[in-house]
Amino acid sequence: NAGVMQNPRHLVRRRGQEARLRCSPMKGHSHVYWYRQLPEEGLKFMVYLQKENIIDESGMPKERFSAEFPKEGPSILRIQQVVRGDSAAYFCASSRIDRDLGEQYFGPGTRLTVT
Amino acid sequence: EDQVTQSPEALRLQEGESSSLNCSYTVSGLRGLFWYRQDPGKGPEFLFTLYSAGEEKEKERLKATLTKKESFLHITAPKPEDSATYLCAVQVSGNTGKLIFGQGTTLQVKP
Repeated sequence: NAGVMQNPRHLVRRRGQEARLRCSPMKGHSHVYWYRQLPEEGLKFMVYLQKENIIDESGMPKERFSAEFPKEGPSILRIQQVVRGDSAAYFCASSRIDRDLGEQYFGPGTRLTVT
Repeated sequence: EDQVTQSPEALRLQEGESSSLNCSYTVSGLRGLFWYRQDPGKGPEFLFTLYSAGEEKEKERLKATLTKKESFLHITAPKPEDSATYLCAVQVSGNTGKLIFGQGTTLQVKP
């Protein structure tokens, strides 16, 4: 049973470019969460999605960041016009639909470097 | 404001030297408390969920306990392979399931 998959594992972008991060949840999971881990900081919640719905985006910066989880395919976190401060590790987690907001299982992360 | 604080920030132990990591939380209502292990360059690995005061969970050399204000992760006779950062997180009642993390405790076990 494959775990949460994220790609790419490493992503380098120049300032002003766009970054697209992908997350495939564990089999049987339909809840997806995105977290960001800045250097020397803890994990911070960004957004929570179910298929075709954004449930909670209270941790997402208001500008340049967006997320989606389409009916088919992976969840995508999109960062437009990246700046150096966006350099961080971005983690996706998933949980099962029949567990009441239960355990979240994390992927290996995408490490974004903005030059 | 919902908050999670872990102590100590870093802990060095000799192999076999038991100790405890602390996670203090201040939340409006606790739905669940989670412990994760994170190795450098990897994603957090789920260890335990605790839901109510008095609850305990064990896995190999690790034991997690929960009170109304804090949780402890006890490590008995640790081995070098237990070296990692241990993260504590809470889910708050009435919220959407997002996890609020502490800063973590980095454990180093020397042979």
